[in-house]
This record gives sequence, C-alpha cells and structure tokens, in this order.
Amino acid sequence: GAGVSQSPSNKVTEKGKDVELRCDPISGHTALYWYRQSLGQGLEFLIYFQGNSAPDKSGLPSDRFSAERTGGSVSTLTIQRTQQEDSAVYLCASRLQIQGGYGYTFGSGTRLTVV
Amino acid sequence: DQQVKQNSPSLSVQEGRISILNCDYTNSMFDYFLWYKKYPAEGPTFLISISSIKDKNEDGRFTVFLNKSAKHLSLHIVPSQPGDSAVYFCAATARFGNEKLTFGTGTRLTIIP
Repeated sequence: GAGVSQSPSNKVTEKGKDVELRCDPISGHTALYWYRQSLGQGLEFLIYFQGNSAPDKSGLPSDRFSAERTGGSVSTLTIQRTQQEDSAVYLCASRLQIQGGYGYTFGSGTRLTVV
Repeated sequence: DQQVKQNSPSLSVQEGRISILNCDYTNSMFDYFLWYKKYPAEGPTFLISISSIKDKNEDGRFTVFLNKSAKHLSLHIVPSQPGDSAVYFCAATARFGNEKLTFGTGTRLTIIP
C-alpha cells in the first residue's frame, strides 16, 4: 500500500484480556518499529525489527508484551493480560533509508483503551 | 531519563509571525535529529531533519538549527500559518547501532488567525 496501515484503529478491551495489534508496513521498507504514546507523554520506543536480524526488544515494558514480524512484512504486537496502564496509542513505523539520513513513515496508530 | 526534552508543552503564535520550537538533548551519541508534526488521530509525519555535520537546514518555511556544543536544536516556522497548528515532536538518533528514534514529549503549537 501507499502508507503504513494499522488495525484496528480503536480497541476497547477489558482488563485482563489479551489484544493483538497489526501493522502493515510500506512494501520494501526493511525496518519496522513499534512506539506508544500515553496521555501527555512523548513517543516511547517499544521494539524494532530490521531485516532478518534479531529484534531489539529493549523498550518492551514487561513480559506481557511481545511482537513478531512474519516474512519480513506484517507485524503483530500482542499484549497479554492487559492492564489499565497499557491504555495508549500504539504507533507503528517503517523506514526507508534516504540519502543523508533516515525517513520513518508512521501509521495512524491503534488507540487502545483498557477498562 | 529523558534524553530528548521539549520544555514547552504549548506555544501560541500569531498568524504570519515566526514560531520557534526548542529541543534539548543529553546523549552525546546522537548525531541525527528530526522534527515530526502530528495532527489528532493521525500518525506523526516527517517534517525536516539535520545531521550533526551541519548547523542549519532549510526547507521552505521550515528551518532547523543545531547547536552541538549546547546540545540544543530549534525549529523555526516563518511565516506561521493556521495549518501549522499541531503537536511537534523532536527526535534524535545515533546513526550507527540501534538507530531507533528517541522522541521528546512534544510541543502543541497553536497559530492564532
């Protein structure tokens, strides 16, 4: 597609349930990132996939969070046993390396609300 | 530890005047800096960037200045237009290594007609 696509755009879930968030990056972009933005906060790095390399999971806040990227394309972020503090906008970005720097294209995000 | 700081959560500027958004960083490994603009219910969109080998980069109405010794960068928008009203995020990265972006907390810019 023309841009980074995320689904669902909104998700309301009960505390304790598991959720899956999906990201379709731009075709040909080798790097994929997950960030989240909590209310009044900046964008917090979660996880980074680059080609076939092992992902950088250093930003995942707890072992309830996991992500995978299948076939170097679509990525799924899974949050198990959701808690209210998980409520945030989860943003996915893919990267195209441009001359002299980096270009990240973000999706519109998934707004997760845990009630 | 907030490595990228935007100390002004909000800024209001009269249409036609200059908007100046500021950003400070603490990590001396950062050598590439970007500004993103975000409208409600949309993802951030890339605006302008600067490498540490430069101290200024200009693109139309947008100019980014980098002061490496002060670990400070700023975004100038001139003239400001109503469509510029949005949240602006400063981001930094180290070119080698992880390459993930580290973001500031954002500044909400409101352009007053």
